[in-house]
Amino acid sequence: ETGVTQTPRHLVMGMTNKKSLKCEQHLGHNAMYWYKQSAKKPLELMFVYNFKEQTENNSVPSRFSPECPNSSHLFLHLHTLQPEDSALYLCASSQELAGGGTDTQYFGPGTRLTVL
Amino acid sequence: GQNIDQPTEMTATEGAIVQINCTYQTSGFNGLFWYQQHAGEAPTFLSYNVLDGLEEKGRFSSFLSRSKGYSYLLLKELQMKDSASYLCAVRDSNYQLIWGAGTKLIIKP
Repeated sequence: ETGVTQTPRHLVMGMTNKKSLKCEQHLGHNAMYWYKQSAKKPLELMFVYNFKEQTENNSVPSRFSPECPNSSHLFLHLHTLQPEDSALYLCASSQELAGGGTDTQYFGPGTRLTVL
Repeated sequence: GQNIDQPTEMTATEGAIVQINCTYQTSGFNGLFWYQQHAGEAPTFLSYNVLDGLEEKGRFSSFLSRSKGYSYLLLKELQMKDSASYLCAVRDSNYQLIWGAGTKLIIKP
């Protein structure tokens, strides 16, 4: 248990569906992140939030829409996805956005997304 | 560009020692992290190096050479539960984490 939870753990959706992924952190951290993890590829940073304000959008297609209502919750809204979007979507949090030392990122277990 | 290289897959025997290497070229350096990720689970933090040398933590040790852009994770007395992927990440000058693709470690009895 890392203090970061994600729901659902598994999601299968068609290309025309709309769904949302949810992340919650119980660590009192100020920064939250969405990553995409595909097999045999490095983690791809998608979005970064600091004190619920978006600070980074790494050229992510608009079919992915993040929402951060407060510092503890993060959502990823999905709409008209493509089969190549099938991957593990990981949420993470850290105490500070640009923290030094051992201030590192704590991850949730991820949502395994399959787009048919 | 920024790049982190680590082997895709390694196999080792239960009870043995294995060394997983990581080389990096990044824009600046503010620390190197190793994470462990079991299949279907969250990556979990293992170790942090910012100065050259060896950091030991139980059966796991991590080494860093900043001049060579090189690190390794050493796992001793391997157990079946050590079967997992090991991710190397470097914090660059912007304090962003740059990730390697991970090394899948298979432990055989």
